[in-house]
Amino acid sequence: AQSVTQLGSHVSVSEGALVLLRCNYSSSVPPYLFWYVQYPNQGLQLLLKYTSAATLVKGINGFEAEFKKSETSFHLTKPSAHMSDAAEYFCAVTRGSGNTPLVFGKGTRLSVIA
Amino acid sequence: NAGVTQTPKFRVLKTGQSMTLLCAQDMNHEYMYWYRQDPGMGLRLIHYSVGEGTTAKGEVPDGYNVSRLKKQNFLLGLESAAPSQTSVYFCASKQGGTAYEQYFGPGTRLTVT
Repeated sequence: AQSVTQLGSHVSVSEGALVLLRCNYSSSVPPYLFWYVQYPNQGLQLLLKYTSAATLVKGINGFEAEFKKSETSFHLTKPSAHMSDAAEYFCAVTRGSGNTPLVFGKGTRLSVIA
Repeated sequence: NAGVTQTPKFRVLKTGQSMTLLCAQDMNHEYMYWYRQDPGMGLRLIHYSVGEGTTAKGEVPDGYNVSRLKKQNFLLGLESAAPSQTSVYFCASKQGGTAYEQYFGPGTRLTVT
């Protein structure tokens, strides 16, 4: 069975500082991994995804994530936080085969301080 | 394209009442999903469908039923609402194939009193 652990339910950074949101996964087979963002009172939208191609994945709005198999991690980073990055971020995993549904982490709320 | 739409946006029910939430997508996607989102719990899958006329249970299916009579629509029903079903409900759809992303609707906020 697959599972996702997001370390830290709430992360607070200063504007211009590095953003690091942590995600560790558990999967018995090669996974596909996703990061979604949810702005207040909206649905989720895709930031980026890993589907067994390049291990460093670049997404929208300057975010990127690196797949590290040895650490079973897929942490999300952005070099310089903007106020507009304040949102909730979800990591999700599915098997790299078949069509099993996504399993989501519990989410990390990012606050950006001016 | 409207993408994924959900009706209604808000609803208040009394315990024991029934209702149906409608999800519609105009992207010709095969797969559709219903999730509930509760504080600190992330998104939990209620039911999903891999094609017209098919449905399957997710992580938290009890108290809900679904139907997929048309490819573009996925209905979520609550036959007898309970306060524990107070939540925000999201519908999503995607093309067939594991690598494709899910597209989410804007959500329905349901309160059961």
